[in-house]
Amino acid sequence: GIQVEQSPPDLILQEGANSTLRCNFSDSVNNLQWFHQNPWGQLINLFYIPSGTKQNGRLSATTVATERYSLLYISSSQTTDSGVYFCAVERLDDYKLSFGAGTTVTVRA
Amino acid sequence: EPEVTQTPSHQVTQMGQEVILRCVPISNHLYFYWYRQILGQKVEFLVSFYNNEISEKSEIFDDQFSVERPDGSNFTLKIRSTKLEDSAMYFCASSDVGNEQFFGPGTRLTVL
Repeated sequence: GIQVEQSPPDLILQEGANSTLRCNFSDSVNNLQWFHQNPWGQLINLFYIPSGTKQNGRLSATTVATERYSLLYISSSQTTDSGVYFCAVERLDDYKLSFGAGTTVTVRA
Repeated sequence: EPEVTQTPSHQVTQMGQEVILRCVPISNHLYFYWYRQILGQKVEFLVSFYNNEISEKSEIFDDQFSVERPDGSNFTLKIRSTKLEDSAMYFCASSDVGNEQFFGPGTRLTVL
């Protein structure tokens, strides 16, 4: 199956700092999503971004499909940004998302 | 905003018992999915469902598991004869054709 690798595995930030999370994948995809898992375990959709760049408030994401990676940018981080960030991809003709292992982000006040 | 709902939020059961986890997908979506996440691990795909039949299933989804869409709104996952290792968070998701998947809040299953 498709391999999805996220880096770094853990990230500790001071409030107000910026950061970049990376997702590499091993095959062509027609769907790529970023999620934030909150302390209650809920998966919150951040971006649906099979290619291109999107922004939503302090968060933005870029996917370079031809080079098989995606980046998630967090700017001016807040303590509420803490949690696990997952990247998930879906190949054409697959009917499933394959998840990476996640990046655990801790934002300290 | 439409959302996927799941019940119950937490289920505790004894080993060997059967459980049914319920989901109401977003109403105009056609694809339905179950995923699970063992504590501290990544989210794993179990099964996808379209047009009243399974589209794809993982190695995890063996004869112990089954899915059903009993009416026009519900989508269920049945686990027969639960094992300790079935303890996990189970997520339901739905999507329109070839589009973004939306996840429910999850059911935390604890098998004692």
